[in-house]
Amino acid sequence: DVKVTQSSRYLVKRTGEKVFLECVQDMDHENMFWYRQDPGLGLRLIYFSYDVKMKEKGDIPEGYSVSREKKERFSLILESASTNQTSMYLCASGFGVGGANVLTFGAGSRLTVL
Amino acid sequence: ELKVEQNPLFLSMQEGKNYTIYCNYSTTSDRLYWYRQDPGKSLESLFVLLSNGAVKQEGRLMASLDTKARLSTLHITAAVHDLSATYFCAVSNFGNEKLTFGTGTRLTIIP
Repeated sequence: DVKVTQSSRYLVKRTGEKVFLECVQDMDHENMFWYRQDPGLGLRLIYFSYDVKMKEKGDIPEGYSVSREKKERFSLILESASTNQTSMYLCASGFGVGGANVLTFGAGSRLTVL
Repeated sequence: ELKVEQNPLFLSMQEGKNYTIYCNYSTTSDRLYWYRQDPGKSLESLFVLLSNGAVKQEGRLMASLDTKARLSTLHITAAVHDLSATYFCAVSNFGNEKLTFGTGTRLTIIP
């Protein structure tokens, strides 16, 4: 089975801190994604990457950046955390099969910014 | 901008009953996905629908896609408690790896 591992399940940070969320997948998938999940808003795409060193903005990239130096690892960076970035962050990886892009999600990282 | 709407947002139903969750999307799309999320867990893939009229079934769940109406449905037959979860639909287009998700439907099955 594909595994997507997120480094931290729970984090508590202070406003203004720099935050790194790490994600590693073990099945050589080309595509990796970062979503945030908030009640009533579903999942919203922050950034995605379809290759090493490549990145594309999603729907809500403001306040975030990403890094993909190796195929298996996709990092989400909050340069200066703010309280409105308190959320559940979900990493996913996937590749095209028969025209579909089925994603496998990690367990999530719940970030609280105080 | 692609928007994906699900309804209802919350659904409480008795065991043994049938019900349908609806997923509407705002622009042309040819890939429709359904995911399930259990409380405190991450999302797992249920169905992928790739063409107009596509129907997929797994156990008590059946998903269908009408691309002309921009509508997908997830039908639950004779609900059981184990189906309690939040269900998300998502859409994408061929050649575009980005999936846009709906708001989710939280389903609670009451014994």
